[in-house]
Amino acid sequence: AQSVTQLGSHVSVSEGALVLLRCNYSSSVPPYLFWYVQYPNQGLQLLLKYTSAATLVKGINGFEAEFKKSETSFHLTKPSAHMSDAAEYFCAVSVYPQGAQKLVFGQGTRLTINP
Amino acid sequence: DAGVTQSPTHLIKTRGQQVTLRCSPKSGHDTVSWYQQALGQGPQFIFQYYEEEERQRGNFPDRFSGHQFPNYSSELNVNALLLGDSALYLCASSLVIPRGGSQATGELFFGEGSRLTVL
Repeated sequence: AQSVTQLGSHVSVSEGALVLLRCNYSSSVPPYLFWYVQYPNQGLQLLLKYTSAATLVKGINGFEAEFKKSETSFHLTKPSAHMSDAAEYFCAVSVYPQGAQKLVFGQGTRLTINP
Repeated sequence: DAGVTQSPTHLIKTRGQQVTLRCSPKSGHDTVSWYQQALGQGPQFIFQYYEEEERQRGNFPDRFSGHQFPNYSSELNVNALLLGDSALYLCASSLVIPRGGSQATGELFFGEGSRLTVL
């Protein structure tokens, strides 16, 4: 079975500072990994995804994540935080039953940006 | 190009009642998945529909049922509502990944959700 653990339910950084959101996964097969962002009262928007190609993945809004198999990690980073980055972030691992896609999500990390 | 649309956006029910939530997938998509997101939690997979059949199901009781129509839209039904069913219900659509295909991930596109409050 697949699972995801997000370390830190709340992360607070200053505007302009580095953003680091941690995600560790467990999977019995090579995983497909995703980061989603959820703004208040909205659905989920895909930030980036790892699909077994390059281990460093670049996404939207300046975010990137690095797949490290030895550490079973897929941490999300952004060099310089912006006020608009304040949101809930979810890491997810995909399962491939019968050729369709199902996501297993972590508990989420709420990112707060301080001015 | 319309994205995933869900209705209603908010609703309030009482314990024991039944509720139906609706979802229209993104244009060109043929698969609909439903997720339950309780307050402060990550979304949890309920089930997935393709070709009008339930293909996969998460760890949810039979009180949760669904349907997919020929136009690919879908409904989620919850019977005998409990207080614990209060949550944001998210619909996501995607394309089925062809067997033997590589690199395709069947990216999910999410709607904004239906927020259900059970009193």
